[in-house]
Amino acid sequence: GAGVSQTPSNKVTEKGKYVELRCDPISGHTALYWYRQSLGQGPEFLIYFQGTGAADDSGLPNDRFFAVRPEGSVSTLKIQRTERGDSAMYLCASSLEFGTGVFFGPGTRLTVL
Amino acid sequence: AQSVTQLDSHVSVSEGTPVLLRCNYSSSYSPSLFWYVQHPNKGLQLLLKYTSAATLVKGINGFEAEFKKSETSFHLTKPSAHMSDAAEYFCVVSEVQGAQKLVFGQGTRLTINP
Repeated sequence: GAGVSQTPSNKVTEKGKYVELRCDPISGHTALYWYRQSLGQGPEFLIYFQGTGAADDSGLPNDRFFAVRPEGSVSTLKIQRTERGDSAMYLCASSLEFGTGVFFGPGTRLTVL
Repeated sequence: AQSVTQLDSHVSVSEGTPVLLRCNYSSSYSPSLFWYVQHPNKGLQLLLKYTSAATLVKGINGFEAEFKKSETSFHLTKPSAHMSDAAEYFCVVSEVQGAQKLVFGQGTRLTINP
């Protein structure tokens, strides 16, 4: 399949721990996005990469959240000192720079106990 | 800032009857508008998009939406509902063309009754 993939599909961790969530975008897509979807809500924007650089990180809730895309392809969302309120579905998406649409991955469901 | 309001959190229709999911938007720019569908335990799928071409947009699975600037609306319709249409639907606005930073509505859950 040539879609956006995310690993792991589920992650359960304890409060205070560090987690990393991985996203593999569609090959050739230069733009990559992270969104967070809480139960019963629509996805909320976190950060957007154009190539290797974060073009807009205004949605990151605080400095515990960080994301990288060192080679302009795979991206990792990193959450330090996790809190129970971080529990949500984390969605990754990619698109061509001026593309035909944004394509979403299946998400990583994060549960912080 | 861009925003969307989905006027119904839950819509229930009978199989074979028309579907109407309502969306109003607010945008400082000429917006790009989208509808996405999310089936249980599946990823978001693009149904259709409006990017300042034809105001009536046709999408997948028989859905279509009409952009009405005077009403700031982008309602989603389908003439005849199928059981497989049961899902969560999101109206989405983007602040620039090319689908960059997306702003989602709260979602409308569509239930299809046999």
